Amino acid sequence: GQNIDQPTEMTATEGAIVQINCTYQTSGFNGLFWYQQHAGEAPTFLSYNVLDGLEEKGRFSSFLSRSKGYSYLLLKELQMKDSASYLCAVGGSYIPTFGRGTSLIVHP
Amino acid sequence: SQTIHQWPATLVQPVGSPLSLECTVEGTSNPNLYWYRQAAGRGLQLLFYSVGIGQISSEVPQNLSASRPQDRQFILSSKKLLLSDSGFYLCAWSVSHEQYFGPGTRLTVT
Repeated sequence: GQNIDQPTEMTATEGAIVQINCTYQTSGFNGLFWYQQHAGEAPTFLSYNVLDGLEEKGRFSSFLSRSKGYSYLLLKELQMKDSASYLCAVGGSYIPTFGRGTSLIVHP
Repeated sequence: SQTIHQWPATLVQPVGSPLSLECTVEGTSNPNLYWYRQAAGRGLQLLFYSVGIGQISSEVPQNLSASRPQDRQFILSSKKLLLSDSGFYLCAWSVSHEQYFGPGTRLTVT
C-alpha cells in the first residue's frame, strides 16, 4: 500500500517563497506528482518527477529523493492566486495515491 | 488537444434515488479512466478505474457502480443513494502517467 504525508495548512506572504513537503512510504513507485486545486474546482497537473533531482517549471519547482521517500514543491514569487490546495500523489502501475493536500494561504 | 467533459455540474438528489453521472473524453484513444470522490475537507478517494472498454476495477466496495460502454465514455451509477454519497465527483483520464481531471459534479444527497 501507499502512505503519503503532507502538512495540512501553510501560510505565506505575497512575493515570498514557500516549500511544501511530502513524504511517502510505498510498495511500488511509478513517479511522484503534484497537483493544484483551487476551492470548488478540479485538480490541475503541475509536475511529475520519476528521477531524483529538481524539475523547474516557471515559478514552480519540484524535487524528488526516492531513497528518502521525500518530495517538495517550491513556489517562488508567490501571488494571491496561488492560494489553493496542493496535492502530492505517488503513482502505482495505473493508480496514483493522493495525499490529503496542503492548503496554502497567501496573504498580502 | 484533449478535453474531458462531465455533467451535470451540480446535482441535488433525495436519499434512495438513483444516480447517473457521465464523463466523456475527446482527443485521445484508449485512455485509462477514473472516478474519484472528494468529501468536504478530505482527500481524493479513488472509486473505480478502467483500462479499456468493459473493464472496470473497483477500489471501494459500496453502493456505486461504474461502466465503460465506449472507449471514451465512463459512467458512474447508483440504484439508491445514501446521505454519505454526497461529495465532489471527479472523472479523470490518463494515457501515460499524469492524470487530467474533468470539472467535477457536486452531488448533495438530501
